[in-house]
Amino acid sequence: DQQVKQNSPSLSVQEGRISILNCDYTNSMFDYFLWYKKYPAEGPTFLISISSIKDKNEDGRFTVFLNKSAKHLSLHIVPSQPGDSAVYFCAASAAGSARQLTFGSGTQLTVLP
Amino acid sequence: DAGVTQSPTHLIKTRGQQVTLRCSPKSGHDTVSWYQQALGQGPQFIFQYYEEEERQRGNFPDRFSGHQFPNYSSELNVNALLLGDSALYLCASSLGIGANVLTFGAGSRLTVL
Repeated sequence: DQQVKQNSPSLSVQEGRISILNCDYTNSMFDYFLWYKKYPAEGPTFLISISSIKDKNEDGRFTVFLNKSAKHLSLHIVPSQPGDSAVYFCAASAAGSARQLTFGSGTQLTVLP
Repeated sequence: DAGVTQSPTHLIKTRGQQVTLRCSPKSGHDTVSWYQQALGQGPQFIFQYYEEEERQRGNFPDRFSGHQFPNYSSELNVNALLLGDSALYLCASSLGIGANVLTFGAGSRLTVL
């Protein structure tokens, strides 16, 4: 039972364009959502997060949108750069669960120069 | 400022053997969580340690056990290894068990033959 799903295993985008990565969840108890980026041979690094009381959070080129009614979140990267090429994981946690993270299966983003 | 460090980086074992993986949390962090990442999947929560006690556990058998030391470092032990235990084992640290954002290490790649 996958509670967090990333349905696109890969995405290719031209440099300078917008990258949109999507994530769906099923557990209504999730109240905090995160995006991690992972380069080969490195651990996941935290990128941006959003609490369920908000619907948008921005940090530089990265914006996360949360649609609670649809149980959907997305990560927008504008403009995309070749250094953004990595695997992006969506993760979620619930209060009272010691904030253990439930991850999606990841999306490989390739930004073409 | 050292981040999360894990050892060894790679190891090969045979079925039925036992393995111990080690983790030093980021300076200032006191909580350690372990995740298993199988090929092509997102990390899956194994357990979390705080104040030298296991506080939360994911859906993993008792063959997976751990320990946290007074200096907050941690070990993950896996007994009676199966082929399916081959994976990247990630250690993550945080300050307190309710922290929203985890800092991950680069992982230990375990191959079971």
